[in-house]
Amino acid sequence: EAAVTQSPRNKVTVTGGNVTLSCRQTNSHNYMYWYRQDTGHGLRLIHYSYGAGNLQIGDVPDGYKATRTTQEDFFLLLELASPSQTSLYFCASSDVGCSDYTFGSGTRLLVI
Amino acid sequence: GDSVTQKEGLVTLTEGLPVMLNCTYQTIYSNAFLFWYVHYLNESPRLLLKSSTDNKRTEHQGFHATLHKSSSSFHLQKSSAQLSDSALYYCALRNNNAPRFGAGTKLSVKP
Repeated sequence: EAAVTQSPRNKVTVTGGNVTLSCRQTNSHNYMYWYRQDTGHGLRLIHYSYGAGNLQIGDVPDGYKATRTTQEDFFLLLELASPSQTSLYFCASSDVGCSDYTFGSGTRLLVI
Repeated sequence: GDSVTQKEGLVTLTEGLPVMLNCTYQTIYSNAFLFWYVHYLNESPRLLLKSSTDNKRTEHQGFHATLHKSSSSFHLQKSSAQLSDSALYYCALRNNNAPRFGAGTKLSVKP
């Protein structure tokens, strides 16, 4: 079954720490996205990609890097984590027509 | 840039009453594609409804919405709320690039 898998499910790191969130999709989708979910703000777009090697900047990119290594894999990197990055992170994928977005189960990140 | 407004952060209803969750949007593009996603606790957000056709009602799982481009609205409705409808609902807009989501409306249905 086509899916979007995120890892880890939960992560705790210290301020200034280095964190990588992983996302893999088996939907054969070209587009992948990273969002963060915060109460009162909803889902905010961090970065997205149209395909391997491509990266587009979203609406809240500060403090985040991303890399799309293959069609299946999209990584979100926090090189100097801060408490403001404590959030629930969702990865999603879509086909070229963008008629639906398939979400992963989320990664809950706590920066202490 | 594109934006979506969901003015109600929390809607609390008694079971059996009608549901209406508001969604308005702003975009400079004419090819707006609007979505409603439902997010149950500890699950992934999933698609509930979508539309790009002006003034056409779209329905799924008892919910319905009509895209009105003249008022830039795509309100979600249901005739009778069920306890199982309690969830977080997101309205989203897509034009030429990545979708933008609203802040979400938490629907709480009480017995």
